[in-house]
Amino acid sequence: DTAVSQTPKYLVTQMGNDKSIKCEQNLGHDTMYWYKQDSKKFLKIMFSYNNKELIINETVPNRFSPKSPDKAHLNLHINSLELGDSAVYFCASGRANTGELFFGEGSRLTVL
Amino acid sequence: SQQGEEDPQALSIQEGENATMNCSYKTSINNLQWYRQNSGRGLVHLILIRSNEREKHSGRLRVTLDTSKKSSSLLITASRAADTASYFCALTPSNDYKLSFGAGTTVTVRA
Repeated sequence: DTAVSQTPKYLVTQMGNDKSIKCEQNLGHDTMYWYKQDSKKFLKIMFSYNNKELIINETVPNRFSPKSPDKAHLNLHINSLELGDSAVYFCASGRANTGELFFGEGSRLTVL
Repeated sequence: SQQGEEDPQALSIQEGENATMNCSYKTSINNLQWYRQNSGRGLVHLILIRSNEREKHSGRLRVTLDTSKKSSSLLITASRAADTASYFCALTPSNDYKLSFGAGTTVTVRA
C-alpha cells in the first residue's frame, strides 16, 4: 500500500502545453510538499501546504500552481511549459513536529 | 544559502568497506537529516539528528553532528552492493521550518 503516490511517473510534452501532476498520501500527515530535482540531483523546495493552506511558496514562476483539495492531496499544475521545466518533481508529506519527510517516487517531466 | 553541501560528490568503494560522507552548512539548525535515493526512485529517510545530539546510530549507519564546526558525517559500515545510491543531507534552519537539501553524494559499492 503506497504511502505517497504520484501520477504520472513519466510525462513527455511539447513546449507551451499545460500539464498536471497529482499526489496523494495515505499517512494522515498534515503537511505536503512539492520539490523539483534538476539534472544535477539538486532538490529545491517549491511549495508546501499544511491542512490545505499554502505555507511555503518559493520563488517559482506563476506558471506553477499548486492545489490542495484536501489534506491528503496536493496537485501541481504547470501552464505554458518551457524547456527549463524539464526535471523530476517529487511530492512529499510529513508531520510538522517530527521533521521526517516521506517522498513519492517522482514524476519525470520532459519538455520538448 | 541554507542548504547543506555534501562532500565528496561521488565515492566508489569495494563491498565490505566503510563509506563516509560529510555535510557542511552555514546557518544554525534545529535538526539535520540524511536521506537515501536509489536510481530512479524517491528519497527515503535514514536518520534525523537534533542540534543537541552529537551521534546517532541506526543499523550499519552512524551519523555525527558537530554544531561548532557546522558539519555532519554519515558513515555506512560494511557496505553492500544494495547501498549504491545517492545520499543527501537535509537541514531545518533555526529561523525557518523549510527542509533544504544539498546536491548529494553518489556512492557506488563494487562487488
